[in-house]
Amino acid sequence: DGGITQSPKYLFRKEGQNVTLSCEQNLNHDAMYWYRQDPGQGLRLIYYSQIVNDFQKGDIAEGYSVSREKKESFPLTVTSAQKNPTAFYLCASSRGQGRQPQHFGDGTRLSIL
Amino acid sequence: QKEVEQDPGPLSVPEGAIVSLNCTYSNSAFQYFMWYRQYSRKGPELLMYTYSSGNKEDGRFTAQVDKSSKYISLFIRDSQPSDSATYLCAMSEEVSGDMRFGAGTRLTVKP
Repeated sequence: DGGITQSPKYLFRKEGQNVTLSCEQNLNHDAMYWYRQDPGQGLRLIYYSQIVNDFQKGDIAEGYSVSREKKESFPLTVTSAQKNPTAFYLCASSRGQGRQPQHFGDGTRLSIL
Repeated sequence: QKEVEQDPGPLSVPEGAIVSLNCTYSNSAFQYFMWYRQYSRKGPELLMYTYSSGNKEDGRFTAQVDKSSKYISLFIRDSQPSDSATYLCAMSEEVSGDMRFGAGTRLTVKP
């Protein structure tokens, strides 16, 4: 079955540490997205990519970095510059941006040790 | 004012009830409207996808869009305990493709 796989499901970060969240899709979608979900808030866009080797900052990109070397993969690095990283991180993909609905993975919960 | 407003609930109904979930928005450029269902510790799952104003029905679910009032609704008929989840509305612009999400309404359907 086609879908989006996020790993790990749970991740713990120490002070000063960078951590990388994995996102892989086999839907042959061009666009991929990273969101952060906090209780009581809507999903907030961190980064998005419409095509391989190109990505754009979203609303809350500070303290995060991404790469898009392959169509199927869009990893997110939470750097030590992100002072409040505890959240549920969701990866999504769509055939194109905006008009097409986004399909989501099952998320990674990141916590601080 | 947020671009998309959604009552967080929680909303609790008995099994078999009709559920009404709503979102309001301020950006008149939104043209595409979606409803997602999110179970605890899972990612959102697309339920309904509509373009511009009107109604769309899929089984027990009906989505309504009233662009003149900037108001969208999701109705669930004959609600089941398995419908217990958080429901997120989402909408996007046609030109920019920017998508915005509501904060989600937590629904519990009691047997």
